[in-house]
Amino acid sequence: GEDVEQSLFLSVREGDSSVINCTYTDSSSTYLYWYKQEPGAGLQLLTYIFSNMDMKQDQRLTVLLNKKDKHLSLRIADTQTGDSAIYFCAESIRGGGNKLTFGTGTQLKVEL
Amino acid sequence: SAVISQKPSRDICQRGTSLTIQCQVDSQVTMMFWYRQQPGQSLTLIATANQGSEATYESGFVIDKFPISRPNLTFSTLTVSNMSPEDSSIYLCSVWDSEVQETQYFGPGTRLLVL
Repeated sequence: GEDVEQSLFLSVREGDSSVINCTYTDSSSTYLYWYKQEPGAGLQLLTYIFSNMDMKQDQRLTVLLNKKDKHLSLRIADTQTGDSAIYFCAESIRGGGNKLTFGTGTQLKVEL
Repeated sequence: SAVISQKPSRDICQRGTSLTIQCQVDSQVTMMFWYRQQPGQSLTLIATANQGSEATYESGFVIDKFPISRPNLTFSTLTVSNMSPEDSSIYLCSVWDSEVQETQYFGPGTRLLVL
């Protein structure tokens, strides 16, 4: 079955790195995504990783995938106040043409 | 990436009434989806809007409550029928961008409050 879990809250100081974690249970996942939701806004696609990759880096964002442990993480380097938002991980079993199963969301708060 | 707009952006409705939400994409897309995000919760897929055929609903969602139209490859509507306060949510449209495969983009959402 599909079940995606995240910790609810994370608080970091501006300039530090943030690491948001996600665990999933469906080993058939082919793509895993990170979305950002700012207050009152829709979802912004940040990055995604194919299941045969271990890592993907995009500017300040680093995604790590441990397929054996079904663990996904998003690292944000040099976290800024503008990074304060809710971050959702999501999995897709057969790619973007099929439904996404979302995690519970992690509220990231960046303090000065 | 596809640019998606939704109307209305927010609404306050009385119980028992219905609201139709529109989703417009700036390019033709293969697949469109409707999600619901209840207050403080994650997103749940309501249905896949299929062009030229009936929508495919997820478990727990039925056509009578959430009728969906998809008249062409750039437009879809979701109606929330006979509303109750439990329908208060954010409703989001998303599309699968066939030009950048394996990615889904979301509209800004429609914030619905049912009194």
